[in-house]
Amino acid sequence: SQTIHQWPATLVQPVGSPLSLECTVEGTSNPNLYWYRQAAGRGLQLLFYSVGIGQISSEVPQNLSASRPQDRQFILSSKKLLLSDSGFYLCAWRIGDSGYTFGSGTRLTVV
Amino acid sequence: GDSVTQMEGPVTLSEEAFLTINCTYTATGYPSLFWYVQYPGEGLQLLLKATKADDKGSNKGFEATYRKETTSFHLEKGSVQVSDSAVYFCALSDISGGYQKVTFGTGTKLQVIP
Repeated sequence: SQTIHQWPATLVQPVGSPLSLECTVEGTSNPNLYWYRQAAGRGLQLLFYSVGIGQISSEVPQNLSASRPQDRQFILSSKKLLLSDSGFYLCAWRIGDSGYTFGSGTRLTVV
Repeated sequence: GDSVTQMEGPVTLSEEAFLTINCTYTATGYPSLFWYVQYPGEGLQLLLKATKADDKGSNKGFEATYRKETTSFHLEKGSVQVSDSAVYFCALSDISGGYQKVTFGTGTKLQVIP
């Protein structure tokens, strides 16, 4: 079966600290992978998407970056977190036009 | 560019009431349309979808019809339950810059009271 794993579930980090969120998928190969952020009281904002290893497209310029070191691994990073980086981060993958499958999300609070 | 507009929330209903959450869209191509649901503290789950005009998506008593003439995809349920309390997102999937991208609405929070 096809599953998506995302961790950690919650994270509290001080301003200026680094960030690394990991997402892995199982049961498929060469998936299209996405990182979304959901800020409090707002909708979903597409941050990055990747169609293959080493291929990253950024939708919104910011202090976040993404990497895809393996086919089924997608990492969201930051060198120095800002208060405005707080939010709910969702990893997702897509198969054809069947819609997205989302991970369970990471709630990040920057203090 | 593509956009999705949803009705502002929160929407508060009594159990067994009729639900409508409005969604309209703008797109340059022929998008597929989706409704996602996010229960408290969880990620998003696909609720239903429609891939072409006049298609009706349905799941768990929810329905939505792809109306190209009005560029709408309103979500309906005849009798809501407390367990339907969640945030509902309307979304469209379209080709942009050679890639398939999904655009989400801002979400509508539904609260069902006993």
